[in-house]
Amino acid sequence: AQSVAQPEDQVNVAEGNPLTVKCTYSVSGNPYLFWYVQYPNRGLQFLLKYITGDNLVKGSYGFEAEFNKSQTSFHLKKPSALVSDSALYFCAVRDRFNAGNNRKLIWGLGTSLAVNP
Amino acid sequence: DAMVIQNPRYQVTQFGKPVTLSCSQTLNHNVMYWYQQKSSQAPKLLFHYYDKDFNNEADTPDNFQSRRPNTSFCFLDIRSPGLGDAAMYLCATSREGTGTETQYFGPGTRLLVL
Repeated sequence: AQSVAQPEDQVNVAEGNPLTVKCTYSVSGNPYLFWYVQYPNRGLQFLLKYITGDNLVKGSYGFEAEFNKSQTSFHLKKPSALVSDSALYFCAVRDRFNAGNNRKLIWGLGTSLAVNP
Repeated sequence: DAMVIQNPRYQVTQFGKPVTLSCSQTLNHNVMYWYQQKSSQAPKLLFHYYDKDFNNEADTPDNFQSRRPNTSFCFLDIRSPGLGDAAMYLCATSREGTGTETQYFGPGTRLLVL
């Protein structure tokens, strides 16, 4: 079965320190990979995606993610965390083929990031 | 700015009283999705439209219906809301076939069932 794992329910970091939010996936083929962020009582905001090419993807708000095909991972990173980065982060994957259920995103359970001043 | 708009942002309804949530988009995307999200859980896809083609998820209750009268608008109808239907409802859009296929979300409608 296809799945996405975010092994940490919560990540705590001090402001100014680097942060990593982990994501691994078990999906056949070469899926598209996404990170979304959700602030309280808000919709999900797209951060970044991996389609092909360079394994290091840069996205919004200074976030980046590293794709590792051999480890089937797509970890989200930021060199210097801000208190305003505190939110819920979701990793998601989908099939490259455009048909029916292949358009469906498979979601991780989310990781709550708390950045402490 | 192009965006996904959801109205209302908060909706209170009574047990069993039909309710309609609306979503509109100015992105000219051909796919529109409806998700249900409960208390910081991952969003759960209810159904989606690819143009006019409706795609239902196998585990979506019959109580949930959807309409897409044109490219820009999509509605979620809950025919007889139960207490368990209280949740955040998220609309998303994407343009398929361009090699991007990123889903863009609206701000959500929080539904409260009394």
